[in-house]
Amino acid sequence: GENVEQHPSTLSVQEGDSAVIKCTYSDSASNYFPWYKQELGKRPQLIIDIRSNVGEKKDQRIAVTLNKTAKHFSLHITETQPEDSAVYFCAAKPPGNKLVFGAGTILRVKS
Amino acid sequence: NAGVTQTPKFQVLKTGQSMTLQCAQDMNHEYMSWYRQDPGMGLRLIHYSVGAGITDQGEVPNGYNVSRSTTEDFPLRLLSAAPSQTSVYFCASRLTLGSANYGYTFGSGTRLTVV
Repeated sequence: GENVEQHPSTLSVQEGDSAVIKCTYSDSASNYFPWYKQELGKRPQLIIDIRSNVGEKKDQRIAVTLNKTAKHFSLHITETQPEDSAVYFCAAKPPGNKLVFGAGTILRVKS
Repeated sequence: NAGVTQTPKFQVLKTGQSMTLQCAQDMNHEYMSWYRQDPGMGLRLIHYSVGAGITDQGEVPNGYNVSRSTTEDFPLRLLSAAPSQTSVYFCASRLTLGSANYGYTFGSGTRLTVV
């Protein structure tokens, strides 16, 4: 089955700097790759997603890139702010309905 | 439109007790699922359902049962609670095949402690 690996497990950046979180997946048939943000004690919230027929998607300060050949995708956050501090999860959806999550990245933005 | 509603928010059980975590959605989503979240392990799929009367096992199904008698409800039953089931449980739903919207909507979670 699909396996998703996520790196790094923790990331500390200075306010205003960029943050990059990387994920790799194993099933080349996976066709949907969302990213979720989870604040402390809250539910995961979808922040951006990308489908397999697109290489890059941007929404204000966040962007996701997908390299299907290498089977990896990345989340880029520019001009980080303290409110970006959270746990970020990547996920991949193989054919069917199941979503397989990475282990998560704790992002700390220091002001 | 309440989205995905989970109850209870917190629960403490003794080893061997049974209980049901409730999940309901009012978005007419066919697909519903249960995940558990443990530190450093992300979200792991327990059971899922693609429609009323249809359920299947996920990654970590042992010790849990589910049923789907209606589109709206997808309860998760712990048959005989064990300390290893101490976790935060999330219910998630989405529209399924044929829909361009693949996004999952999560409930607010149930924090379960088994002592």
